[in-house]
Amino acid sequence: AQKVTQAQTEISVVEKEDVTLDCVYETRDTTYYLFWYKQPPSGELVFLIRRNSFDEQNEISGRYSWNFQKSTSSFNFTITASQVVDSAVYFCALSGSGGSNYKLTFGKGTLLTVNP
Amino acid sequence: DTGVSQDPRHKITKRGQNVTFRCDPISEHNRLYWYRQTLGQGPEFLTYFQNEAQLEKSRLLSDRFSAERPKGSFSTLEIQRTEQGDSAMYLCASGRTSGSRETQYFGPGTRLLVL
Repeated sequence: AQKVTQAQTEISVVEKEDVTLDCVYETRDTTYYLFWYKQPPSGELVFLIRRNSFDEQNEISGRYSWNFQKSTSSFNFTITASQVVDSAVYFCALSGSGGSNYKLTFGKGTLLTVNP
Repeated sequence: DTGVSQDPRHKITKRGQNVTFRCDPISEHNRLYWYRQTLGQGPEFLTYFQNEAQLEKSRLLSDRFSAERPKGSFSTLEIQRTEQGDSAMYLCASGRTSGSRETQYFGPGTRLLVL
C-alpha cells in the first residue's frame, strides 16, 4: 500500500521568508511518481510538479524548488521569498506506473499562510 | 486549452435525496478520475475510467454511488439516498498517459452538503 505523510499541518510565515514543506512517502513500487499540488481557497487543485523515481535531480522553477531524496523517501518543496499569493493548502501525492496504478495517493496537506 | 469543468459547483440537498454531478474532462485526455475530499483531508480516490470503461472502484464507493462515462467523454457521478456522511468536495480529474507517465489535472470540484 502507498502512503504519503505531510507532518506539518499548518505553517505561518511573513512575506519574503523562505519556507519548506515536508513530504515523506512509502511505496513498494520500483517505478513511481511524486507530485505536488496547490489548493487555493477556491478549491481547485493546481498541478505544480511531477517527478519520477529514477530522477533524483533537484528542480527549480522560479521561486519554487523541489528536493527529492530516495534514501530518505522524501520529496520536499521550498518556496523562496514567499508572497501572500502563495497562501494555500499544498498536497504531496504519489502514484505508481501503469494501469490502475496511476491513481493518486495524497497526504493530508499543509496549510501555508503568508502574512504581509 | 480549456481545463476540466464540473457542474454544479455547489449542491445542498436533504438526506435521502439523489444527486448527480457532471465532469467534462480535457478533450484529448483518455482517463477520468473521481476523488472525494473531506474537510482537513487530502483527496481520496473513488473510481476511474479509461475511455468509457470503468476500470477500478475504491471500497469507499458504496452501492449508493454510481459513475458513468458514456462514449468516453463527460462523466457523471450519482449518489442515491444521500447521507450526511456524503458531505464532501467531489473532485474530477483527467489525465493523458504518455509512455509510463501520467499527470492528472483537476476540475474546481463540486461541494456537496447533505442536511
